Amino acid sequence: DTGVSQDPRHKITKRGQNVTFRCDPISEHNRLYWYRQTLGQGPEFLTYFQNEAQLEKSRLLSDRFSAERPKGSFSTLEIQRTEQGDSAMYLCASSSKREKMDEQYFGPGTRLTVT
Amino acid sequence: QKEVEQNSGPLSVPEGAIASLNCTYSDRGSQSFFWYRQYSGKSPELIMSIYSNGDKEDGRFTAQLNKASQYVSLLIRDSQPSDSATYLCAVFSSNTGKLIFGQGTTLQVKP
Repeated sequence: DTGVSQDPRHKITKRGQNVTFRCDPISEHNRLYWYRQTLGQGPEFLTYFQNEAQLEKSRLLSDRFSAERPKGSFSTLEIQRTEQGDSAMYLCASSSKREKMDEQYFGPGTRLTVT
Repeated sequence: QKEVEQNSGPLSVPEGAIASLNCTYSDRGSQSFFWYRQYSGKSPELIMSIYSNGDKEDGRFTAQLNKASQYVSLLIRDSQPSDSATYLCAVFSSNTGKLIFGQGTTLQVKP
C-alpha cells in the first residue's frame, strides 16, 4: 500500500492569487480529510468526504475555500484570493470504513506561504 | 475550555527513562483516542490508538485511557533520542465525525 500523497509539497504565492492542492488517499480508503496546521498548534479540521460526498465543513472554511472529490478518489482544495493568514501546512488524511475507520493516516502535507 | 488539552512542554527526559505524556478531553461522547508523533517539518504519524478503558501496549509505547476522568496518556519506555518529537493527542467523536487534536507536547530525550 502506498501512503497518502499530496502535491505540491511547497507553494509560495502572492496575496490575492488562487492556489489548488491535490491529495491522493490510500487506495480504497473511502474517507478523506483536510486539515490546516500552523506553527505550535495541532492540526485543525477543515472538511471531510465519504466517497464523493462532502459531509462536514468547519467554520474555519471560509467562502474562499472549496474542496472537491469528484470521483471519490483524489481530492482538491482550492483557496481563492489568498491572504497572508492562509500561510500554513495543509494536511490531507484518509481512513477506511471497512477497517479501523477512525484511524487516519496523513500525507506529507503542502506548505503554503503567502507573501 | 479547549476540547483536547495537552501541556505544550517541552518535556525533557534522559535517555533510557520513561516519558509520560498526558491529555484531557471535554467531549464525553468521544469513542476513539489516538497518539500521533510529529517530527519537526513533517506530518503527523499515527503511533497508537485506544478505544476502551485500560492500557494498551505496543513495543515501548503504552497508551492508557480513563473515560470517567476523560484522560488519555502515553508512556514511552527506554526513551531514545530518536523519540524527540511533538506528540499529538487526538480524540474522535462519532457524533461530530471529527478528529480533534491537542496542541501537542514537545518531548526532548537527552543522550
